[in-house]
Amino acid sequence: GENVEQHPSTLSVQEGDSAVIKCTYSDSASNYFPWYKQELGKRPQLIIDIRSNVGEKKDQRIAVTLNKTAKHFSLHITETQPEDSAVYFCAASIGGYQKVTFGIGTKLQVIP
Amino acid sequence: DAGVIQSPRHEVTEMGQEVTLRCKLISGHNSLFWYRQTMMRGLELLIYFNNNVPIDDSGMPEDRFSAKMPNASFSTLKIQPSEPRDSAVYFCASSPGANYGYTFGSGTRLTVV
Repeated sequence: GENVEQHPSTLSVQEGDSAVIKCTYSDSASNYFPWYKQELGKRPQLIIDIRSNVGEKKDQRIAVTLNKTAKHFSLHITETQPEDSAVYFCAASIGGYQKVTFGIGTKLQVIP
Repeated sequence: DAGVIQSPRHEVTEMGQEVTLRCKLISGHNSLFWYRQTMMRGLELLIYFNNNVPIDDSGMPEDRFSAKMPNASFSTLKIQPSEPRDSAVYFCASSPGANYGYTFGSGTRLTVV
């Protein structure tokens, strides 16, 4: 089955700086990579996703990159704000299957 | 659309009691996932259904756990008998298909004392 590793487990940045979270996956058949944000006491929410036919996707201050050769993908948050503080999960799913495998999560703290 | 709806939001029960968690999917979504979240293990997939059929229940920890999907919009997760180590937040999520993100419900915080 798929295995997703995520790092770092915790990340502290100053407000306005950039944050980068990295994930690797094991199964080369994986072709869908969503990212979720979970604020304290709330549900995980999809914030961005990328499919294997593209290498990068951007949505305002958030971007994801995918390197299929190296089997890793990353989340980049620019101009961080205190409301970006949350746990972020990466995930991967094998083509045609709806089940995704989640990483362990990264707790991001943005210091005002 | 009201999104994925879970009930109850909180449940406190005594060890040995039966617990039933409920989930209503988003209309048009054909897949339903039950997750358990704890500090130690993160998000664990317990079981998922596609078109009302259980596809993968390998994450169900023991026979004490069972899940049903009697129709296309509703699912239950039952724990009988409950134990203190079952204490966790249980999420259900639905998806419209492969390569689409999940929409999670608000979760049920279960405490077994």
